[in-house]
Amino acid sequence: EADIYQTPRYLVIGTGKKITLECSQTMGHDKMYWYQQDPGMELHLIHYSYGVNSTEKGDLSSESTVSRIRTEHFPLTLESARPSHTSQYLCASSETRAGVGYNEQFFGPGTRLTVL
Amino acid sequence: GQQVMQIPQYQHVQEGEDFTTYCNSSTTLSNIQWYKQRPGGHPVFLIQLVKSGEVKKQKRLTFQFGEAKKNSSLHITATQTTDVGTYFCAGGSYGGATNKLIFGTGTLLAVQP
Repeated sequence: EADIYQTPRYLVIGTGKKITLECSQTMGHDKMYWYQQDPGMELHLIHYSYGVNSTEKGDLSSESTVSRIRTEHFPLTLESARPSHTSQYLCASSETRAGVGYNEQFFGPGTRLTVL
Repeated sequence: GQQVMQIPQYQHVQEGEDFTTYCNSSTTLSNIQWYKQRPGGHPVFLIQLVKSGEVKKQKRLTFQFGEAKKNSSLHITATQTTDVGTYFCAGGSYGGATNKLIFGTGTLLAVQP
């Protein structure tokens, strides 16, 4: 069982509020990711990190920001939430193994965000 | 940009019938991974294929990676109600950021008992 946690699991918030979605993993993985997924749709990568102090934007443009100050922690922040941000946000992690380019990603349970 | 499409988008089968989902990339992939997401759940890794023409089996599931490394398929033999969920392929690109995957559009499988 993967040890990756997300809080809150559900969040209903008004327009204009600042929110932070938490993601933590206890597996010591160096790589972490944030995906956005609308119901029944594919996952879109919005942010990723190769390690501490390393963050990059993903393929889907997002108004959110991320930080990676500690290996195990990768929070996502929205400065001013809007209804268009309503979606499910999934956090994932993977480890780097010598000689292996791609490794499986372990996903957290997700945060379902609704902005009114 | 790179796109990964899956067909069909949705499949409804009777329990015991076979099921196949196909994954097609617009570019050559270095590898393909498959994930399963149960309704209301999160994606769970199933398998990774790396070699051209590779075939792997997991019990009733058979995974294939095309010779040109641009397509893949997942076949389930004799479906069970526990197979219900959305199946995603995810491709990694050559020369791209290591471990950055492009997820396919997914195939939702419904199994009627």
